[in-house]
Amino acid sequence: DIQMTQSPSSVSASVGDRVTITCRASQGISTWLGWYQQKPGKAPKLLIYAASGLQSGAPSRFSGSRSGTDFTLTISSLQPEDFATYYCQQAHTPPFTFGPGTTVEIK
Amino acid sequence: QVQLVESGGGVVRPGGSLTLSCAASGFTFSNHAMHWVRQAPGKGLEWVAFMSYDGSKYSYADSMKGRFTISRDNFQNTMTLQMNSLRPEDTAVYYCARDLGRFGELCDYWGQGTLVTVSS
Repeated sequence: DIQMTQSPSSVSASVGDRVTITCRASQGISTWLGWYQQKPGKAPKLLIYAASGLQSGAPSRFSGSRSGTDFTLTISSLQPEDFATYYCQQAHTPPFTFGPGTTVEIK
Repeated sequence: QVQLVESGGGVVRPGGSLTLSCAASGFTFSNHAMHWVRQAPGKGLEWVAFMSYDGSKYSYADSMKGRFTISRDNFQNTMTLQMNSLRPEDTAVYYCARDLGRFGELCDYWGQGTLVTVSS
């Protein structure tokens, strides 16, 4: 199975900050990766598909990139509504594993 | 608009069975693969299973193989997860989610979830 790791596990940031979250796959997954945002008590929302595609309805301050088996989610200017937990997921090979999550907290 | 509504959650004893359902509306159900994803209390997301748009492909997470069965009815626009031999560690909110495509990709719409509690 493909293992997904994320770093950091949590990050404290202020409104307006640039935030970067990294996800690494245990083997090559091409661009078969997505990023989700989840707020407490709510279902996840897809932000990024195919490693760098912005999902319809997701704000343009969210972007994704890939370098080999390393993937990055960047929030260019953190907004109050962005405080949440972010998960990556590989869609290359079943089981479609999620990363453990990164919580973005208010500094 | 796309709607996914899960039902069937509840409290079940260890070793028991439960069937979850997902009712889909607002899109052409037969054009999309579908997934089940769960989240234990206070924990991260765990992918459970998926089935392709036509039911020809399906897959399960390792810990669910042999215990869980996914199915779909493209006439009734429903998906089902039959869960047998339930364990306390299966306690979670179970989400139904729509796939971007036909054969298993990412999930672009999610239901509100249904809680399954496995406890004696």
